[in-house]
Amino acid sequence: GAVVSQHPSWVICKSGTSVKIECRSLDFQATTMFWYRQFPKQSLMLMATSNEGSKATYEQGVEKDKFLINHASLTLSTLTVTSAHPEDSSFYICSAHRWGEETQYFGPGTRLLVL
Amino acid sequence: AQSVTQLDSQVPVFEEAPVELRCNYSSSVSVYLFWYVQYPNQGLQLLLKYLSGSTLVKGINGFEAEFNKSQTSFHLRKPSVHISDTAEYFCAVSAGGTSYGKLTFGQGTILTVHP
Repeated sequence: GAVVSQHPSWVICKSGTSVKIECRSLDFQATTMFWYRQFPKQSLMLMATSNEGSKATYEQGVEKDKFLINHASLTLSTLTVTSAHPEDSSFYICSAHRWGEETQYFGPGTRLLVL
Repeated sequence: AQSVTQLDSQVPVFEEAPVELRCNYSSSVSVYLFWYVQYPNQGLQLLLKYLSGSTLVKGINGFEAEFNKSQTSFHLRKPSVHISDTAEYFCAVSAGGTSYGKLTFGQGTILTVHP
């Protein structure tokens, strides 16, 4: 199989704090991972593409200084929401792309609530 | 750039009835097409995908979809639905080249199966 995990699944934080979300491919190596954001009753919007060992590529309108992405190994990418504000409250989902396959495998998502 | 339109935001249906969820896309290049299912508070699970070859694609849970290039459609069908099929369904496309692996999602269709 191709399993992707995310941690934590739920996080509640105060406004102004930073939150780190981990995305791991458990049984395969992922050269590319993607980070999506999903607001209530909306579709998934791609935030950034993360390639192992290089800088992430951010989609238009996504602040790279606010959403820090690190892809330090072939099985782990992290998304850090810096100085979180209530408008950052959302469902964050990562996916991992296994080399040679035209398929992304999605994690279970992390729900962030900023108070 | 690609775009995806899911024509129905909500589809109610009775158990054991057939269902079709519609998806149209636009792209200036050849695309790969996907259907994903999302259960509440969970990530996305791949139902099926079209990469090339036969235009009729069979997926998990009895779902199938047909790629129609002339109509730029990729409608999802199931001949007999179950209560457990109640979920949100997303159609997505990706292109090769520099956009390799990047998914563009439709707005989602909520399928509700009634007993």
